[in-house]
This record gives sequence, C-alpha cells and structure tokens, in this order.
Amino acid sequence: EVQLVQSGAEVKEPGQSLKISCQASGYSFTNCWIGWVRLMPGKGLEWMGIIYPGDSDTRYSPSFQGQVTISADKSIGTAYLQWSSLKASDTAMYYCARVVEGAQRGAFDIWGQGTMVTVSS
Amino acid sequence: EIVMTQSPATLSVSPGERATLSCRASQSVSSNLAWYQQKPGQAPRFLIYGASTRATGIPARFSGSGSGTEFTLTISSLQSEDFAAYYCQQYNNWPLTFGGGTKVEIK
Repeated sequence: EVQLVQSGAEVKEPGQSLKISCQASGYSFTNCWIGWVRLMPGKGLEWMGIIYPGDSDTRYSPSFQGQVTISADKSIGTAYLQWSSLKASDTAMYYCARVVEGAQRGAFDIWGQGTMVTVSS
Repeated sequence: EIVMTQSPATLSVSPGERATLSCRASQSVSSNLAWYQQKPGQAPRFLIYGASTRATGIPARFSGSGSGTEFTLTISSLQSEDFAAYYCQQYNNWPLTFGGGTKVEIK
C-alpha cells in the first residue's frame, strides 16, 4: 500500500525552530516528486513547494521561498519541512503529498494525514 | 502567479440533488487542472486530474469538465458523504496554485 505517514503534532514558541517529517512507503521514493501544502485555520489549501528526492531538486512557491526549507533523505524514504524561526502566523495544518508518478508539475495523488503546528507564547 | 477563483464559496444542496462547482483561472492552464475533496479533520482526497479524468476509486457521480480558464466539477446526485470542501488546483505553471475552495453544505 502506498502511504505517507507524517510526524505528530507540535506546539512551539515564536522564534523556535522545527522540522516535521513525512515517511513514504509502498513506492519508489526517489522517483516521485513530493510536496507540502498548508491549511491555515478557516482558510484554503496553499501549495508550498516540492522536492524530487532522487536529486533533491526543489521548487518553492514565492510565498514560502525563504520562509521554510524542504528537504529529503532518500536513504530512509523521508521528506521534511523545516522552519528556522517560527512565527505565530505559521500556526496551521501541514500536509505532505506525492505528485503523480512521472510528473514534475502534477496533481497530488497520495496525501499524508497532516501535522498540526501550533506556535504560541 | 496564476490565480484560481472558485465559486460559489458555499453551496447549499439537498441530498440527491445535483451540485455544480466552478473554478476559473486567471490565464489558461490548458487541461492541467485537478480537483480535491476535503472533509473536516481529514486529509484532502484526490478526485479528478486532467480536468476530467477521475482518479482511481472515485465514483462516477463526480465529473469534471472544461479547459483553458473555465472548469466545472459536477456531482450528479449528492450523497451524505459528499458534503465537504472542494478545491481546484492548476499544475500548468509554476508556482502551482489552489483555488480558495467551495464548501458544499446540506440544505
């Protein structure tokens, strides 16, 4: 079964760093782009960026460029989303999702269960 | 950046009725458009790609149409499990972008 399993909910203070994870299984991790999507409370989905684990080629939305870092460790089939200094406005649910096989620009066919990040002092 | 605009924001429909959701792109995205369903507390579910092709396991009551800048998702006869938020996404140009969503609620 193809699945993405994300790390658990996080509660952090402003200014702290954070790295959340997304472990893939059931398919060739290095052959599919994998991305991150934000869902803020009461808002819609936002496409953040994607990474190709095979060579770590990464594309970001301008809205998130410089605000987060997307990475992947192909040896353990895991993608990451990290912040160096969290803000209260980063409070949201974050989903990882796989881009359909064979596509760089493509739809997300498999989704993780989401990681809730709460940033509050 | 291509802006995706969905309408209406909220659609009130009775079970068994037809629901028609619209998605408009600020410039042509050809047929590179997907639709997703999201229920509260759940991850999005992949419904449609290529504007009109249903993803694996998606019931035939869901259909997509359109190309260029105007797209439609139709649910032919709403079932109780279909009440949810729906999002379109273009994957023609970087950055890929989602629409703001349409919430389908019970009338």
